[in-house]
Amino acid sequence: SQTIHQWPATLVQPVGSPLSLECTVEGTSNPNLYWYRQAAGRGLQLLFYSVGIGQISSEVPQNLSASRPQDRQFILSSKKLLLSDSGFYLCAWSGNNEQFFGPGTRLTVL
Amino acid sequence: GEDVEQSLFLSVREGDSSVINCTYTDSSSTYLYWYKQEPGAGLQLLTYIFSNMDMKQDQRLTVLLNKKDKHLSLRIADTQTGDSAIYFCALDAGNMLTFGGGTRLMVKP
Repeated sequence: SQTIHQWPATLVQPVGSPLSLECTVEGTSNPNLYWYRQAAGRGLQLLFYSVGIGQISSEVPQNLSASRPQDRQFILSSKKLLLSDSGFYLCAWSGNNEQFFGPGTRLTVL
Repeated sequence: GEDVEQSLFLSVREGDSSVINCTYTDSSSTYLYWYKQEPGAGLQLLTYIFSNMDMKQDQRLTVLLNKKDKHLSLRIADTQTGDSAIYFCALDAGNMLTFGGGTRLMVKP
């Protein structure tokens, strides 16, 4: 069966520090992968999606970037965090016309 | 682009039915989804409906799709306190989903 992992589960970082969030998928190959952000009290915003290794599409211009170094690994990064980057970050993969979400990472930027 | 709208909040009593509504602007989606998010957790797919269907029932859940009015609803029968969560509708657009803002359902005992 397919599973999706995200880590860390929670993270508190100072403004201006770097960020790296990792997402890995097991049990499937060549999935489409997605990063979403959910700001407090708001809906989901698609940040990046990837249809294959090294292929990243950005939906919202900002100081975040994504990379897909391996088929089942998707990384969300920032060189310098902003206060507005605080939120709940969800990774997802799609298959069989469904999207499956990871447990999320709660990021607080102070 | 696609706009997907949901009301922010719904409060019901335990045992009553809940109806969560969603309206959208683009009618080209093939699948329409309902997700549930419990506090501090990721999203859980509840059910989905194929765009050529009007209704789908899955145990306590009933999804109604009115393509003419571009309106999707999720009915939860016999709502329980464990149903308290945020519910998102989502529409597919190629490789991506477009989500509504979410409806927070509060179930009072």
